Amino acid sequence: LAKTTQPISMDSYEGQEVNITCSHNNIATNDYITWYQQFPSQGPRFIIQGYKTKVTNEVASLFIPADRKSSTLSLPRVSLSDTAVYYCLVGDGGATNKLIFGTGTLLAVQP
Amino acid sequence: SQTIHQWPATLVQPVGSPLSLECTVEGTSNPNLYWYRQAAGRGLQLLFYSVGIGQISSEVPQNLSASRPQDRQFILSSKKLLLSDSGFYLCAWGVSYNEQFFGPGTRLTVL
Repeated sequence: LAKTTQPISMDSYEGQEVNITCSHNNIATNDYITWYQQFPSQGPRFIIQGYKTKVTNEVASLFIPADRKSSTLSLPRVSLSDTAVYYCLVGDGGATNKLIFGTGTLLAVQP
Repeated sequence: SQTIHQWPATLVQPVGSPLSLECTVEGTSNPNLYWYRQAAGRGLQLLFYSVGIGQISSEVPQNLSASRPQDRQFILSSKKLLLSDSGFYLCAWGVSYNEQFFGPGTRLTVL
């Protein structure tokens, strides 16, 4: 499972677009990039997953460059309720589908 | 739809006492199941995972054990709790490729 590096924390204001970048230099050919969101005293929640280029859903967009050594989670027009820890994970799932979480990025949205 | 239950929600136990946390899943069969622990201000640590009844894999040496007596039941246990066992315990089931669905968690405080 490839190691990931992301900022410990980020600050933003309501209505802004937030981009959280994750570095994964040792990503393997079969690895997917997955992002989770965790609110205090709750379990993480799957946000988005991608392999290359761009993926968009109702919550976020995920941008992956051609070399796949990094990825950027983009949250459009954040609100106070988007304050949470965001985790970037890289792996191929495999038979066990184990996930290895890092410390994540604490996003604090101010009014 | 699929649902995951964990109980109790909170627990305060003295050092040296036993522990039993239960997790059950509804709406799916033969899921991969996982136990995680999260210490205050830290990321999630994978403790155990199970790919079937009676099949348990331990990720880290520790004071805890896990069992899977039924297809959709996963139990985390300890014979004698340590102070270091305090934390937020989360059960999850594997939905698909790198996607897991987490339960509400149990906040354990060992005094």
